[in-house]
Amino acid sequence: ILNVEQSPQSLHVQEGDSTNFTCSFPSSNFYALHWYRWETAKSPEALFVMTLNGDEKKKGRISATLNTKEGYSYLYIKGSQPEDSATYLCASLGGGRRALTFGSGTRLQVQP
Amino acid sequence: EAQVTQNPRYLITVTGKKLTVTCSQNMNHEYMSWYRQDPGLGLRQIYYSMNVEVTDKGDVPEGYKVSRKEKRNFPLILESPSPNQTSLYFCASSYTSAGELFFGEGSRLTVL
Repeated sequence: ILNVEQSPQSLHVQEGDSTNFTCSFPSSNFYALHWYRWETAKSPEALFVMTLNGDEKKKGRISATLNTKEGYSYLYIKGSQPEDSATYLCASLGGGRRALTFGSGTRLQVQP
Repeated sequence: EAQVTQNPRYLITVTGKKLTVTCSQNMNHEYMSWYRQDPGLGLRQIYYSMNVEVTDKGDVPEGYKVSRKEKRNFPLILESPSPNQTSLYFCASSYTSAGELFFGEGSRLTVL
């Protein structure tokens, strides 16, 4: 994988549903994986920065896991709320690059 | 308050008229970067700076210039804007290239 890929592109869930997204990134020379939350008309805000294989991080109802050997990360949202509606971006640093490469994001809409 | 400030937030200009988008951060961050966001493409990096007087091209540098004469400022210069530079631009900073990025509020540029 040469680019950072995110799936699905968009997701509609009902309030209370749990959901998860996938981020795939180049596993060679991996250094760091970031997750950002981007609400409409606002700026992206960092959720997690992960560096170690097997790392798991949690912030409230949102958690993330990291597999650097196979090059993927999952973001989980437990009991989605309407305020979770946003685009979730992942970004990878590695492969000899000195800058983050962003995926195109997963757009989540939570219906009340 | 820790922040990244961009100006202008909105600008409509015409082809060929030089413009500068300013970016300033008050967090003493070493690393600063410019991104553009276009529908379906996610955030693409234009230029980045690891430190004062050190700048490097990102993925889409054509048609842009930057400078980093002071740690806090990282202006983006469009010497001769063209319609394909119509986009939403974000400046971001962090302590290091691998660290959590702090984004400005974005600058929406339209080139007619």
